[in-house]
Amino acid sequence: DAGVIQSPRHEVTEMGQEVTLRCKPISGHDYLFWYRQTMMRGLELLIYFNNNVPIDDSGMPEDRFSAKMPNASFSTLKIQPSEPRDSAVYFCASSLTGLQPQHFGDGTRLSIL
Amino acid sequence: GESVGLHLPTLSVQEGDNSIINCAYSNSASDYFIWYKQESGKGPQFIIDIRSNMDKRQGQRVTVLLNKTVKHLSLQIAATQPGDSAVYFCAENRGAGNSGYALNFGKGTSLLVTP
Repeated sequence: DAGVIQSPRHEVTEMGQEVTLRCKPISGHDYLFWYRQTMMRGLELLIYFNNNVPIDDSGMPEDRFSAKMPNASFSTLKIQPSEPRDSAVYFCASSLTGLQPQHFGDGTRLSIL
Repeated sequence: GESVGLHLPTLSVQEGDNSIINCAYSNSASDYFIWYKQESGKGPQFIIDIRSNMDKRQGQRVTVLLNKTVKHLSLQIAATQPGDSAVYFCAENRGAGNSGYALNFGKGTSLLVTP
C-alpha cells in the first residue's frame, strides 16, 4: 500500500526564494495535516484540512506561509519569501477520520541559506 | 518524559528487557492519545493509540496505559529489540469537535537498546 508521499525529500535554497512542498495523502483519507519539526520546538502543527477545506491554520507562522488542497489527492505548502529560520523538516500526514491514526510521510528537509 | 531545549530524555535498556516510556499531558479535553516511533531520516510511525474511555490497550509487544486522573500515558515494550531503538513521541488531540483533531506532540524520548 502506498503511504503518504512527499516531495522533494530535500530542498536547499537561498533566502528570499519561493519554496513549494508537495504532499499526496493516502487514498481515501479525509484529513490532511502539515507539521514542522525542529530540534528546539519539536513537532508543531501548521495547518490541517478536512475534505480539502482548511480547518485550523492557527499554527501557520505568518503570512509568508500558505497551504492549499485543490483536490483530495494533492496538497502544497508554500513559503514566500523564505527565510533561514524556516529551515526544518516538514511533514505531511493523513488520516481516515478525525480520531484515527495520522500516517506520516518521510518529510521534506528544507534548508534556507 | 519531556525534554528541554536540545536534550531528549534517553532510556537505555538491554536487549530482551522490557521498556517503559512515560509521558505527561496537560489538556483535560483530550480524548485520544497516540504513540509514534521515529527513526532517523524518517517520518513518525504509528505504534498504538487509545481513547479516553479505556485505560489499557495492547498490541503486538506493546501496551499503552492511560491514567486520566494524573494525566499520564505510558508505553510498554516487551522483550525490547535493537530495532526498537528510536525516538518515541506521545501525542494527544486538542479536544472536542472538528478543530480538536490536531495532535499536540511531546518532545520525545530516545530509546537505546544495547546488545
